[in-house]
Amino acid sequence: GNSVTQMEGPVTLSEEAFLTINCTYTATGYPSLFWYVQYPGEGLQLLLKATKADDKGSNKGFEATYRKETTSFHLEKGSVQVSDSAVYFCALRGGSARQLTFGSGTQLTVLP
Amino acid sequence: DAGITQSPRHKVTETGTPVTLRCHQTENHRYMYWYRQDPGHGLRLIHYSYGVKDTDKGEVSDGYSVSRSKTEDFLLTLESATSSQTSVYFCAISQQGDTEAFFGQGTRLTVV
Repeated sequence: GNSVTQMEGPVTLSEEAFLTINCTYTATGYPSLFWYVQYPGEGLQLLLKATKADDKGSNKGFEATYRKETTSFHLEKGSVQVSDSAVYFCALRGGSARQLTFGSGTQLTVLP
Repeated sequence: DAGITQSPRHKVTETGTPVTLRCHQTENHRYMYWYRQDPGHGLRLIHYSYGVKDTDKGEVSDGYSVSRSKTEDFLLTLESATSSQTSVYFCAISQQGDTEAFFGQGTRLTVV
């Protein structure tokens, strides 16, 4: 079945540092890949997505590239801000599956 | 923001009592989902619906039932609540089975 593995957190960075959160997946066929963000006390918001190999999703300075050869979708940001502190979830929707499969989430804290 | 409303937002109930959570959408999306969020597990799918009266089980469906009598409402029922069902419950919607999902604000349920 489908599965998503995210790097374990928590991750603590200083403001303006470079961020990478690793995500790898297992799926049959050609899945769509997503990053969601959850701010404290809120629901999940779609951050970015990619629907085919080599696509790059981007939003709010965050980027992730769909790498089929390494089955990865790592999230990156060149310069994080305190307001980026949140939990980040990698997810996929694959093949005939009608539901999203999530990773366990990575807590990011950015210090001023 | 997608028009998704979950009710109640918070609930405390006693073991053995029935509980119903409601998800209401104004987007006319075909697919609706119930997830639970627990530390270390990310989000796990409980049940989903792909149309009025059409539902299917997710990976953690034991102890839960759902109903969808009209497009806009998706109800999750715990027939006899247990302490292991203490969690945060999220409703999500998507237009198609292979597109991104939009999430509600969540319901925090505590079973004592």
